[in-house]
Amino acid sequence: AAGVIQSPRHLIKEKRETATLKCYPIPRHDTVYWYQQGPGQDPQFLISFYEKMQSDKGSIPDRFSAQQFSDYHSELNMSSLELGDSALYFCASSTRTGITEAFFGQGTRLTVV
Amino acid sequence: TQLLEQSPQFLSIQEGENLTVYCNSSSVFSSLQWYRQEPGEGPVLLVTVVTGGEVKKLKRLTFQFGDARKDSSLHITAAQPGDTGLYLCAGSNTGNQFYFGTGTSLTVIP
Repeated sequence: AAGVIQSPRHLIKEKRETATLKCYPIPRHDTVYWYQQGPGQDPQFLISFYEKMQSDKGSIPDRFSAQQFSDYHSELNMSSLELGDSALYFCASSTRTGITEAFFGQGTRLTVV
Repeated sequence: TQLLEQSPQFLSIQEGENLTVYCNSSSVFSSLQWYRQEPGEGPVLLVTVVTGGEVKKLKRLTFQFGDARKDSSLHITAAQPGDTGLYLCAGSNTGNQFYFGTGTSLTVIP
């Protein structure tokens, strides 16, 4: 079965650079979530989209922005990167039809140097 | 403030032993999920429970949702080294976000 696809898997950026992470949800899933996970921490919610509209916002810095496109894929744009942005970034998708359960991608490991 | 608290935070047991992980909250959730995560990988969904008092079994894993839909437990029978990983519970109401628990890091020693 198709899963959530994230790209790239690994990314190394320098401070103050910009990064774009991509997420392709499971087909027919209408909701995308972005999470950030630091070492030894549980995933922290950043932002979610339902039917291409922002549905909820968590601890996403103002330097970050995200959107969901007409084909339901989503991109997380991160600017003015800081060392503290180094983390695993996960995208998950779900459908509002029936039981809502989130399926996660394999993540993007971002390292800011 | 963490919406979902898991206990214990760390657990190291011998192969063949049984264990229980708890996920507690003061909030009611319409559904609760359990995930298992390997280092550097995404959380993998194990089970979703939606009905208060519901019990689901997945081979040696038994999941229970509290009657009030505020808490859940995961019981593993005869743990194996392959069960090693980070276990996360996550609750949702509106579907706009999933609130994760604090996580339980399980190590099963051969």
